[in-house]
Amino acid sequence: AQRVTQPEKLLSVFKGAPVELKCNYSYSGSPELFWYVQYSRQRLQLLLRHISRESIKGFTADLNKGETSFHLKKPFAQEEDSAMYYCALKDTGTASKLTFGTGTRLQVTL
Amino acid sequence: GAVVSQHPSWVICKSGTSVKIECRSLDFQATTMFWYRQFPKQSLMLMATSNEGSKATYEQGVEKDKFLINHASLTLSTLTVTSAHPEDSSFYICSALTLTRAYEQYFGPGTRLTVT
Repeated sequence: AQRVTQPEKLLSVFKGAPVELKCNYSYSGSPELFWYVQYSRQRLQLLLRHISRESIKGFTADLNKGETSFHLKKPFAQEEDSAMYYCALKDTGTASKLTFGTGTRLQVTL
Repeated sequence: GAVVSQHPSWVICKSGTSVKIECRSLDFQATTMFWYRQFPKQSLMLMATSNEGSKATYEQGVEKDKFLINHASLTLSTLTVTSAHPEDSSFYICSALTLTRAYEQYFGPGTRLTVT
């Protein structure tokens, strides 16, 4: 069965410090991975997907198949980055289902 | 674009009654919608996949007769919690897939259900 693990419930960093939100997965096939973000009192929204290899709001994530990881990184944290971040793995079958990790709350302080 | 709404945003009902939650795609057609449940400070747990015009596919452990899902049109899916009990109290979230960006789920704002 597929599984997504986010080991940290809370990550607190100072403004300007680097950020790394960890995500590990287990999946028998070729994974398709995403990061979703939920800002305070807002709905869940897509931040980035590994296939696009984009940098969104300064965040990047590289899929490491050897380590089965998809960590989210940003070199300099901003206050507005404070939010709940969920790593998700998509079923590559026809169902397009997502399996979410338990989420990490990022808290950026001055 | 790609906005998903849910109604109601918050509902309180008495134990034993049924409550219906609507999920609408406002500006696009969604052949597939998903229903999730989220407990406080926990992750989203997929309950079922709803396809327009066909029966929903439920995840293991989810009671089909308790959580009735209807996807009658390309813009509306409903979740009915039947004979609700306090343990059904939770945050229910729907999402929808667009035809043009089928890899991305667009999420509704969620519905908080409290069963007293």
